Amino acid sequence: DIQMTQSPSSLSASVGDRVTITCRASQSISNHLNWYQQKAGRAPKLLIYLAATLQSGVPSRFSGSGSGTGFSLTISSLQREDFATYYCQQTYSGPLTFGGGTKVEIK
Amino acid sequence: EVQLVESGGGLVRPGGSLRLSCAASGFTFRDSAMTWVRQAPGEGLEWVSSLSGSGASTLYADSVKGRFTISRDNSKNTLYLQMNSLRAEDTAIYYCAKSGGDTSWYGRWFDPWGQGTLVTVSS
Repeated sequence: DIQMTQSPSSLSASVGDRVTITCRASQSISNHLNWYQQKAGRAPKLLIYLAATLQSGVPSRFSGSGSGTGFSLTISSLQREDFATYYCQQTYSGPLTFGGGTKVEIK
Repeated sequence: EVQLVESGGGLVRPGGSLRLSCAASGFTFRDSAMTWVRQAPGEGLEWVSSLSGSGASTLYADSVKGRFTISRDNSKNTLYLQMNSLRAEDTAIYYCAKSGGDTSWYGRWFDPWGQGTLVTVSS
């Protein structure tokens, strides 16, 4: 099974900060990496698919990069509505594993 | 607008069974693979199972293999998850999601997701 390791598990940041979350796969997954945002009490929402493609309707301050085993999600200027938990997920092969999540909190 | 609405959750005793449903609308259901993902209280996301549009191909997490069965009725635009031999560790919110991307039968991403249905396994 492919293990997905996210870091950090949590972070505190201020509005306007640049934030980067990383995700590492235990083996190469090409670009089959997605990022989801989940706010408290809500269903997850797709932000980025295939490592770097922004889902329709997602603000351009979100961006993704990487391939192989190393990936990152960057929020260029953190907004109040971005405080949430973020998950990476690989869909290279089954089981379709998620990372443990990164909780972004207000400093 | 694509909509997914889960139902069927509730309280069940260990060893019991439950069937979840996911009613889909706003897209051609039979053309889309579908997926179940769960989230235990206070925990992260765990992929459970995926099913091809035709229903011919399935994939299960090891944690549910042999106990859960994913299925669909394309005439009713509905996805199901039959859960048998339930355990306390199956307690979670269960989400259904539409798979996207056509380079694999199970899709390459999940979007959108339903609002989820809570399953509680407890005596």
